Amino acid sequence: EAGVAQSPRYKIIEKRQSVAFWCNPISGHATLYWYQQILGQGPKLLIQFQNNGVVDDSQLPKDRFSAERLKGVDSTLKIQPAKLEDSAVYLCASSFPEGILGPLHFGNGTRLTVT
Amino acid sequence: KQEVTQIPAALSVPEGENLVLNCSFTDSAIYNLQWFRQDPGKGLTSLLLIQSSQREQTSGRLNASLDKSSGRSTLYIAASQPGDSATYLCAVWDYGQNFVFGPGTRLSVLP
Repeated sequence: EAGVAQSPRYKIIEKRQSVAFWCNPISGHATLYWYQQILGQGPKLLIQFQNNGVVDDSQLPKDRFSAERLKGVDSTLKIQPAKLEDSAVYLCASSFPEGILGPLHFGNGTRLTVT
Repeated sequence: KQEVTQIPAALSVPEGENLVLNCSFTDSAIYNLQWFRQDPGKGLTSLLLIQSSQREQTSGRLNASLDKSSGRSTLYIAASQPGDSATYLCAVWDYGQNFVFGPGTRLSVLP
């Protein structure tokens, strides 16, 4: 089966600019997650979708970050305006509807550098 | 709040050695624990998933154990190879519906 697809792979922007990341989960996976991974740390959950509804966005900095999952498939994560501390790898993951009991499958991530 | 730690932070071993990576979590009320491998510049690859009712899982040269009551899991790698060099992360899914990651152990297997 095809894995989780993410684009772009790399992005360099200046602070205060905006950026968007795209994710296509594994076919049939209802649950989709966006994680932020800062160098040397484990991934931190930003937002979790079940189909096209938000399950958990408690750690999403909503003043600058937004995410949507239209039609319950693809998802986009946007940062506007970006700050230096947003430099990180942004990982998308998906799992089956019974995600609590099943494994997470990750994409290769988007490495964001904010200068 | 669930916290996950991993010891050691980094490990360097000669090829062929057996090794153990440790993962600890503070809240034993978990659904499952998952071990991942992350290669530089890549996403996370799932290695083993242990449900809360299980004690261990095996895949090839990898064996993961879970002791929920003590809040510990170990990942055992037998006969290590240079291709095993990567960062290994554990994560727990707790009753708070959160999937919490540890910071990882960076493993280098020297030829």
